[in-house]
Amino acid sequence: EAGVAQSPRYKIIEKRQSVAFWCNPISGHATLYWYQQILGQGPKLLIQFQNNGVVDDSQLPKDRFSAERLKGVDSTLKIQPAKLEDSAVYLCASSMYRGQGRSSYNEQFFGPGTRLTVL
Amino acid sequence: QQQVKQSPQSLIVQKGGIPIINCAYENTAFDYFPWYQQFPGKGPALLIAIRPDVSEKKEGRFTISFNKSAKQFSLHIMDSQPGDSATYFCAASKTGSARQLTFGSGTQLTVLP
Repeated sequence: EAGVAQSPRYKIIEKRQSVAFWCNPISGHATLYWYQQILGQGPKLLIQFQNNGVVDDSQLPKDRFSAERLKGVDSTLKIQPAKLEDSAVYLCASSMYRGQGRSSYNEQFFGPGTRLTVL
Repeated sequence: QQQVKQSPQSLIVQKGGIPIINCAYENTAFDYFPWYQQFPGKGPALLIAIRPDVSEKKEGRFTISFNKSAKQFSLHIMDSQPGDSATYFCAASKTGSARQLTFGSGTQLTVLP
C-alpha cells in the first residue's frame, strides 16, 4: 500500500513570505494530521481532520497558519506570513482506528515531511 | 498534564548492547503508549505499542516495560545493531474520538559497530 505523500520535500523562503505544503494520505484513512517538528523535539500537533471536518485546531497559530482538506482526501497547510521560528519539519500523518471500544487504538502513518527554512 | 517526558536525550551503545529509553507521563487518562522510530529524512514509524493492562510487551528485539503505578514506561532494544541507530519517540494517547498522540522529546540512539 502506498504511504503518505508530501510535497515539496524542502522549501527555503524569506521571512514574511508565504508557503504551502501538500499532503496525500493513505487511501481510505479518514483522519489526517499536520504536525510541526522543530529540530531536537517531538512532533507537535497543529491540526486534525476527520474526513473534511476539523476535529482540533487548538494549537494552530491561526493568525498565520491555515489548513484545509477538500473532499476529505488531500490537504494543504499554508503559512502566511512566515516567521523565523516557523523553521521546522512539517509532517503529515493519516490514520485509521483499529480494534473496538476501549481496545481501539489509532495507528498513525507519517509522511516524509517538508523541511522549511525561513531566512 | 498532557506532557510526556523522555530521557535520555541521546544514547550511544556498542553493537549487541541493550539501550534503554525511559518515558514518564502525568495524565492517568492515557491508555495507549506507542513508540515511534525515525530515521533522518523520514517520518516517524510505529515500532511497538502497549496498553496499561499489561506490564510488558515484546516484538522481536524490542520490548516495552510498563509500570502503571509509577506512570512510567520504557523501551529496551535487545542485541542492538548499527541499523537501529535512529531517533526514538515515546507517545501517549487516551480513549476518545480524537485519540491524539502526545509525543516525548525524542532520544537519539547511536549503535557503534
